[in-house]
Amino acid sequence: RKEVEQDPGPFNVPEGATVAFNCTYSNSASQSFFWYRQDCRKEPKLLMSVYSSGNEDGRFTAQLNRASQYISLLIRDSKLSDSATYLCVVTRNFNKFYFGSGTKLNVKP
Amino acid sequence: NAGVTQTPKFQVLKTGQSMTLQCAQDMNHEYMSWYRQDPGMGLRLIHYSVGAGITDQGEVPNGYNVSRSTTEDFPLRLLSAAPSQTSVYFCASRPPGQGIYEQYFGPGTRLTVT
Repeated sequence: RKEVEQDPGPFNVPEGATVAFNCTYSNSASQSFFWYRQDCRKEPKLLMSVYSSGNEDGRFTAQLNRASQYISLLIRDSKLSDSATYLCVVTRNFNKFYFGSGTKLNVKP
Repeated sequence: NAGVTQTPKFQVLKTGQSMTLQCAQDMNHEYMSWYRQDPGMGLRLIHYSVGAGITDQGEVPNGYNVSRSTTEDFPLRLLSAAPSQTSVYFCASRPPGQGIYEQYFGPGTRLTVT
């Protein structure tokens, strides 16, 4: 079973829309969680960490549900520049990081 | 700071050839790692290092060797390339310290094995 599973999408949304992605993880011992963003043929970059109480950074909100072992990312007021692949990442011991295969988002004008 | 640099950007190898992918960082990061990314799959950890002289295996270490003689450099060696090793390879590093887990990635090396 994969450590981290994501819906590959693509999610095609108009500008200004709200879109949400979920990600599930298989190991209940996972300790820390992140969302990374990857543009086409580029390296991944950290978008935000995910905290137990949930956290927000501008138009982005991340939530963690430990009981159901999933994390979510909500993007409000989508911009064209949000088009990318969003990678869910978990770690148990902060040395081994497990990446999901990514969810592709296309924001259309 | 240059951040994390990788060379080469592109490489084509024949089956059975060997080569070394170079990775360097100038941020004095103790932790460095190598990933491969295949189409439709997430990044998978090959090897990582928590400091000079210390390396360990990740999810998919077979066919790859690493060493860490300095803080700055973390080369990845393919001893006998196979077509299954065709992939994009990313090197990453992160700062030391508790609670700092953001990884900084290099631009990647696109490797094709024929």
